[in-house]
Amino acid sequence: DGGITQSPKYLFRKEGQNVTLSCEQNLNHDAMYWYRQDPGQGLRLIYYSQIVNDFQKGDIAEGYSVSREKKESFPLTVTSAQKNPTAFYLCASSIDRRRVNTEAFFGQGTRLTVV
Amino acid sequence: ILNVEQSPQSLHVQEGDSTNFTCSFPSSNFYALHWYRWETAKSPEALFVMTLNGDEKKKGRISATLNTKEGYSYLYIKGSQPEDSATYLCAFGKGQGAQKLVFGQGTRLTINP
Repeated sequence: DGGITQSPKYLFRKEGQNVTLSCEQNLNHDAMYWYRQDPGQGLRLIYYSQIVNDFQKGDIAEGYSVSREKKESFPLTVTSAQKNPTAFYLCASSIDRRRVNTEAFFGQGTRLTVV
Repeated sequence: ILNVEQSPQSLHVQEGDSTNFTCSFPSSNFYALHWYRWETAKSPEALFVMTLNGDEKKKGRISATLNTKEGYSYLYIKGSQPEDSATYLCAFGKGQGAQKLVFGQGTRLTINP
């Protein structure tokens, strides 16, 4: 089945540690995205990538880093510089970054808790 | 700051009843309006993507309308079923591409049997 796989589902991190969230897609989509969800708020864009070896900051990129070495993969690293990393993280992809009506396809998310 | 507001935040409906909820967004610089359904422990799934003022879309018992001039979209569910229980997200497209989506906080719908 085609789709987006995020791992792990739950992640616990000690303060001061970096942690990497995995996102893999087999939809052959060019564009990939990372969102963060906090209680009572809409999804907020962290980073996005429109093509391999290129990525752009979203609205809340501080304390995060990404890479896009392969079309299928877009891992997100939550660094120790992120002040409030406990949140739910969603990865998404879309077929064509240039189209107005392109829908996003989402993974099931990773819940990160800092202990 | 660009605001996308959904109301109500949560809703409880009896099975078989019809319901609707609202997404409000800026009336300027409009490119697209997306609706997603997000069931617990699953991935959000696209229901509709609408781009034209007056657009109406339908998928089974779910339909949506769009008014870009006044900045709102309605989502309707006819004859609610337990499987309709989910959070419904709307997202305002302020430009081309999904990276331009601004999401509302969602409406959490619970269908009581």
